[in-house]
Amino acid sequence: ETGVTQTPRHLVMGMTNKKSLKCEQHLGHNAMYWYKQSAKKPLELMFVYNFKEQTENNSVPSRFSPECPNSSHLFLHLHTLQPEDSALYLCASSQDGTLSYEQYFGPGTRLTVT
Amino acid sequence: DAKTTQPPSMDCAEGRAANLPCNHSTISGNEYVYWYRQIHSQGPQYIIHGLKNNETNEMASLIITEDRKSSTLILPHATLRDTAVYYCIARNTGNQFYFGTGTSLTVIP
Repeated sequence: ETGVTQTPRHLVMGMTNKKSLKCEQHLGHNAMYWYKQSAKKPLELMFVYNFKEQTENNSVPSRFSPECPNSSHLFLHLHTLQPEDSALYLCASSQDGTLSYEQYFGPGTRLTVT
Repeated sequence: DAKTTQPPSMDCAEGRAANLPCNHSTISGNEYVYWYRQIHSQGPQYIIHGLKNNETNEMASLIITEDRKSSTLILPHATLRDTAVYYCIARNTGNQFYFGTGTSLTVIP
């Protein structure tokens, strides 16, 4: 247990569906992250929130929409996804997004887009 | 951030020490070396990090060469549960982590 939980663990959705991924951290951290890991590819950083403010968006398509209502919760809203968006989506948190603190990862949501 | 180079795969006998090398020849003076591992289909797990000095914790030891151009992660007594992909990352303060493709370590019974 890393103190970072993600729900659901598995999700299958059609290309016209709208769904949301949820992440919660119980570590008192101030920074949260979304990563995407496609099959046999390195982790790709998608979004960074530091003290609830989005500080990075790595050219992610608008069909992915993050939301960070407080420092403990992070959502990734999904709509009109493509089959190539099927991947493992990982949430992470760290003490602070700007300093050299280690990140703690959740177990991930395995997303399949049909 | 400095680019790191790791062998794509390694084997280690159970109970023996696993020594995972990482080359970061272009590392700058303020870049830390981090190690993470990822067991199949799980989130990456932080192992250890260091700047100049060797570091040890309950999971592993990190040996950084004096010129800081390479490092070695040591798992002193590898178990089957240590089978995972190990990532070596050189990261500057304020920058994000780039995980690369790592080393796939297989611990053999």
